[in-house]
Amino acid sequence: EAQVTQNPRYLITVTGKKLTVTCSQNMNHEYMSWYRQDPGLGLRQIYYSMNVEVTDKGDVPEGYKVSRKEKRNFPLILESPSPNQTSLYFCASSLLQFTSTDTQYFGPGTRLTVL
Amino acid sequence: AQSVAQPEDQVNVAEGNPLTVKCTYSVSGNPYLFWYVQYPNRGLQFLLKYITGDNLVKGSYGFEAEFNKSQTSFHLKKPSALVSDSALYFCAVRPVSNTGKLIFGQGTTLQVKP
Repeated sequence: EAQVTQNPRYLITVTGKKLTVTCSQNMNHEYMSWYRQDPGLGLRQIYYSMNVEVTDKGDVPEGYKVSRKEKRNFPLILESPSPNQTSLYFCASSLLQFTSTDTQYFGPGTRLTVL
Repeated sequence: AQSVAQPEDQVNVAEGNPLTVKCTYSVSGNPYLFWYVQYPNRGLQFLLKYITGDNLVKGSYGFEAEFNKSQTSFHLKKPSALVSDSALYFCAVRPVSNTGKLIFGQGTTLQVKP
């Protein structure tokens, strides 16, 4: 089954404790992206990757890191989480290369709480 | 700044009636436009997209959207609402100048009552 998976689905942590949220897709998609969803703000893009070893900042990259060493994986790293990073996080992927018309497939979401 | 606005936090409609969920955007050029739906405790699902051509785009589950360039709008519509359409709807825009970015609106909760 074609899908985007995220782990963990739920995470409660404390301020300053490094964490990684994994994202994996099995569709051989080139493009992957991370978003956070907050009430009243919709989804905001954190980082995206057009291909392996190519990443770029979205609208809210502060406090986050990403890497794209393999096509299928795009982990989101919070080196020193803070309470304002409490949010619902979504990973997405698409076949997009240069046409920009591809739709994105979203993972199920990771609910992160930083105390 | 580039932005997408969904002016209604919630839209209420009776089952069987037509529905409209509004979206306007402020992006230079001719962007690509999308609608996504989110059911409770689920990720987003693609509904439809406008790239070019006919201003009326048909999508999944009987939804359609009308692109209006002069009003920079991309309203989502359905002729006859179902209770199962109740969900959170997001409009999104991909600027042509940056193919990697996707800008979302704030979301509109659609409530369809029997």
